[in-house]
Amino acid sequence: DAGVTQSPTHLIKTRGQQVTLRCSPKSGHDTVSWYQQALGQGPQFIFQYYEEEERQRGNFPDRFSGHQFPNYSSELNVNALLLGDSALYLCASSWLGVNTEAFFGQGTRLTVV
Amino acid sequence: DAKTTQPNSMESNEEEPVHLPCNHSTISGTDYIHWYRQLPSQGPEYVIHGLTSNVNNRMASLAIAEDRKSSTLILHRATLRDAAVYYCILGGGADGLTFGKGTHLIIQP
Repeated sequence: DAGVTQSPTHLIKTRGQQVTLRCSPKSGHDTVSWYQQALGQGPQFIFQYYEEEERQRGNFPDRFSGHQFPNYSSELNVNALLLGDSALYLCASSWLGVNTEAFFGQGTRLTVV
Repeated sequence: DAKTTQPNSMESNEEEPVHLPCNHSTISGTDYIHWYRQLPSQGPEYVIHGLTSNVNNRMASLAIAEDRKSSTLILHRATLRDAAVYYCILGGGADGLTFGKGTHLIIQP
């Protein structure tokens, strides 16, 4: 089992551009969540997808959007990139339920210049 | 979201037990207590979680106060590989996790 895989591992973009990050969940998991982690801070919840719908959302602007595919993989899209969007973006997968643990990928390091 | 309070950092010696405290005085009756840790340059890793009773697994033990307003993560015999940031998180399990700044655990050889 490959666990949660994210691509790419590193990315450099220019202000104003758009970016797409990808996540493949752990085998058998149906729920994918995305987090943003700035340097020296804990991860911040962006949103969660289940059954191809956004189920829950954190305090992030509409520039952040996502998608979940029928095979449970997911994409995170960020439009109109700002310098402040530079961060480690983490994907976590789990089974939807009250008493479940989340498995995290290694993350995508996004640098906006 | 209910808030947790953890020390910014703690230091321990290798092969000794480590007790990592977490205060959560506003915890609700349905909130589980989750612990995750993040090793350098890695994504967070699940450690343990519980609701009311103390819990044990291969990685650690979780001791929950009777009034549930505090909990303690116990690493029974710390190794250098346990050096990480440890996060105490409250939640219903299915929802997104609300991470704080966590406790930076330093293990001295």
